[in-house]
Amino acid sequence: GQSLEQPSEVTAVEGAIVQINCTYQTSGFYGLSWYQQHDGGAPTFLSYNGLDGLEETGRFSSFLSRSDSYGYLLLQELQMKDSASYFCAVRTGANNLFFGTGTRLTVIP
Amino acid sequence: SQTIHQWPATLVQPVGSPLSLECTVEGTSNPNLYWYRQAAGRGLQLLFYSVGIGQISSEVPQNLSASRPQDRQFILSSKKLLLSDSGFYLCACSGQGAQGYTFGSGTRLTVV
Repeated sequence: GQSLEQPSEVTAVEGAIVQINCTYQTSGFYGLSWYQQHDGGAPTFLSYNGLDGLEETGRFSSFLSRSDSYGYLLLQELQMKDSASYFCAVRTGANNLFFGTGTRLTVIP
Repeated sequence: SQTIHQWPATLVQPVGSPLSLECTVEGTSNPNLYWYRQAAGRGLQLLFYSVGIGQISSEVPQNLSASRPQDRQFILSSKKLLLSDSGFYLCACSGQGAQGYTFGSGTRLTVV
């Protein structure tokens, strides 16, 4: 079977840094992606890691360690608008993006 | 950039009724298209994907079907809805070489 594990909920203070971890066990691996989804909205693509290391996009960074089957999303200088659900997703084949169950981030003042 | 139009936004249908959800894509040609379903508070489950006109692959056995009559049109259908078909249905596309998917705004389906 295939599984992606990430914490169900995280709470952090505005202006702080938060890290959302994702461990995966899949039959194929072509890269780890992160998506943000606000309540009632559609997921939006945040970042992609195909190789080990850190990818930085503004306040968001994503890390991958393929040997550890592990990645994380790092959000810096948290803002209230960052309150949302964050999904890690593994591309397991040419046309299969397998999603985790999501981490609900709540940013408090 | 790619844009996905998906409608309707919400839908309430009785058990046993048919379903047709439509998705159209702008800003790209020959996209790979996907239908996902998201149960409340859960992750996204891939239902169908299509790599070209008339080419449909199903990822899970279910009461639904998909069709791709045109390059940028993807349709999700059912002949008779079940209560378990309720959920948030999302159409997505990936362009050539793109690492991220673009999602439509989704259809929230409630079967009553």
